[in-house]
Amino acid sequence: KNQVEQSPQSLIILEGKNCTLQCNYTVSPFSNLRWYKQDTGRGPVSLTIMTFSENTKSNGRYTATLDADTKQSSLHITASQLSDSASYICVVSPLMFSGGYNKLIFGAGTRLAVHP
Amino acid sequence: DAGVIQSPRHEVTEMGQEVTLRCKPISGHNSLFWYRQTMMRGLELLIYFNNNVPIDDSGMPEDRFSAKMPNASFSTLKIQPSEPRDSAVYFCASSLLQGQVDEQFFGPGTRLTVL
Repeated sequence: KNQVEQSPQSLIILEGKNCTLQCNYTVSPFSNLRWYKQDTGRGPVSLTIMTFSENTKSNGRYTATLDADTKQSSLHITASQLSDSASYICVVSPLMFSGGYNKLIFGAGTRLAVHP
Repeated sequence: DAGVIQSPRHEVTEMGQEVTLRCKPISGHNSLFWYRQTMMRGLELLIYFNNNVPIDDSGMPEDRFSAKMPNASFSTLKIQPSEPRDSAVYFCASSLLQGQVDEQFFGPGTRLTVL
C-alpha cells in the first residue's frame, strides 16, 4: 500500500474557479509535508513545506493545510489560471534522526487541467 | 543562480549501451539527490550524497547503476549496460541541509529512452 495517497487522480476545472486537492499519508513518525508543482517536461517545484506542528501555509493563490492527527493534507488553489495546469505532488518526509536526512516519499500526483 | 543543471536533456540509446547522466547542483548546496520518474512508479529516490559522500544508495535498482560525486559541483549517474526498462526521466536535485528541513531544488531532468 502506498504511504502517500492522492485524490483525485485528475481534475478539470474552468479558469477562475477554485479547487482542492487531497493527500492522505501513513508515514509515521513524520517530519514535514510538502506540495510540489510539476509542469509537463519540467522538474518539480516546491510550493509549500509544513512541519508537523503547522496547520496551514500559503504561497500566493496556493494554500496548504495539514491535520497531523488524521494524517491528511489538502492543497487549495484559488482563482485558477491556465498556468496552473500541471501535476501536483504531495510529498511526506519521515522524521529525521540524528545524522539523517529528509528522505522524500512521493504521492502519485493529481493532474490538474484548467480550461478557458 | 542558474539552478540545478542536467545534461543531456534527452538521450536515446540502444540496449546494452552505457549511459552517463550529468548534474551540476546549485552552488553552496551540500546535498545531492538522484531520482527516477516513471508513469508506473512515480518519483523514486535512487541515491543521496551529502558533502560528496554517498549516504543512502538503497534505491539504486541493481549493480548496473552507479553514481559518483567527485566534487561539490558535479555528479554523474551511469547505467551500464542499459536495458529498455531503464527508460524514464531522471532528475537531479540539490539542497542545503541545515537542521530538520531542507528545500530540494530539482533540475529539468534527463529523458532516457532505451530501445
